[in-house]
Amino acid sequence: QVQLQESGPGLVKPSETLSLTCSVSGGSISSYYWSWIRQPAGKGLEWIGRIYSTETTNYNPSLKSRVTMSVDTSKNQFSLNLSSVTAADTAVYYCARESSTVTSRSFDYWGQGTLVTVSS
Amino acid sequence: DIQMTQSPSSLSASVGDSVTITCRASQSISNYLNWYQQKPGKAPKLLIYAASSLQSGVPSRFSGSGSGTDFTLTISSLQPEDFATYYCQQSYTTPRTFGQGTKVEIK
Repeated sequence: QVQLQESGPGLVKPSETLSLTCSVSGGSISSYYWSWIRQPAGKGLEWIGRIYSTETTNYNPSLKSRVTMSVDTSKNQFSLNLSSVTAADTAVYYCARESSTVTSRSFDYWGQGTLVTVSS
Repeated sequence: DIQMTQSPSSLSASVGDSVTITCRASQSISNYLNWYQQKPGKAPKLLIYAASSLQSGVPSRFSGSGSGTDFTLTISSLQPEDFATYYCQQSYTTPRTFGQGTKVEIK
């Protein structure tokens, strides 16, 4: 059974960089796209971006200038850096696996989520 | 970006009722449409992928249909554990986008 676990600081100061890591267990990180998705309290889901095991990335244009993702296949982990954060970046951050076939693509495994608060 | 619009935003229903949630895409997305269920404090859970395929382990009372721009999620006989928020999501292109959610509440 694939499991994902987010880790990182729960509190980040304004203008600093939010850094999170997602550890994948029960399966290989290779040959999948891995996404970060966030959800402000009481609101909907926003896709931040994704990274493939070969380090190919796609970012949401709304966040592209501030987002960097990386992958460490030796540790079965991938990471998110979001720079110049403001209070608007306060949210629960999820990592998720995107499973793809010829006819479908969906987020089939999710981490439990980690709350990141931006505050001084 | 492809905009996903769900309706209604919320609904009240009783155990045993059949409920239908609709999702409309701002452009054709073929059948690249997924449905997720989210309960408070939990991560979303995949219910339906490719518009109508039931994810393994999901009860058969959940079904999906549609293609192009218009899609529906139907819960045929609502159970107590089905009270949650439901999201549609397009996987036709990046950025991936979600509907705003439909909250299913107990009447």
